[in-house]
Amino acid sequence: DVKVTQSSRYLVKRTGEKVFLECVQDMDHENMFWYRQDPGLGLRLIYFSYDVKMKEKGDIPEGYSVSREKKERFSLILESASTNQTSMYLCASSLKGRGTEAFFGQGTRLTVV
Amino acid sequence: LAKTTQPISMDSYEGQEVNITCSHNNIATNDYITWYQQFPSQGPRFIIQGYKTKVTNEVASLFIPADRKSSTLSLPRVSLSDTAVYYCLVGVSNTGKLIFGQGTTLQVKP
Repeated sequence: DVKVTQSSRYLVKRTGEKVFLECVQDMDHENMFWYRQDPGLGLRLIYFSYDVKMKEKGDIPEGYSVSREKKERFSLILESASTNQTSMYLCASSLKGRGTEAFFGQGTRLTVV
Repeated sequence: LAKTTQPISMDSYEGQEVNITCSHNNIATNDYITWYQQFPSQGPRFIIQGYKTKVTNEVASLFIPADRKSSTLSLPRVSLSDTAVYYCLVGVSNTGKLIFGQGTTLQVKP
């Protein structure tokens, strides 16, 4: 089975802190994604990576950056956390050529206080 | 990427068949139609994907008419555990970028 693992299930950070959310997949997938999910807003794509060191902005990249130095790992970085970044963050991966079949992690519920 | 429209919510009772329809009027020739299921506090899970006509697996069936401007996810004999949000996505398999809409919240009642 494909496994997508997010480093933390729950995280509490202070306003202004630099926050790293880590995601690792074990199936050699080329594509990796970061989404945030908020009540009433559904899943919104933050960033997408289709290869090592390659990235593409999603619908809501402002306030976030990403890093993909290795194929299996995709990190989401909040440079200076703010309270409006309190959300559920979901990482996913998919195989190139079967890009519409993505596998999701369990999510990280981030609270910024 | 084609925009999709689906009902915000639906109610059903245990044992009934549930059909959720998704509209995608601007679907492109190369686009596939994909459905995901999401339970509370979990990430979405891929259910089924199709290009045309009908696809069936152990979880659901997907019906796609000839013009492909809509699709219907059919869940046979639902149970309480089928209560979830169901998302319809339309996109090209090899581009990778997945955009989710609002989804349909299905509530199955006893």
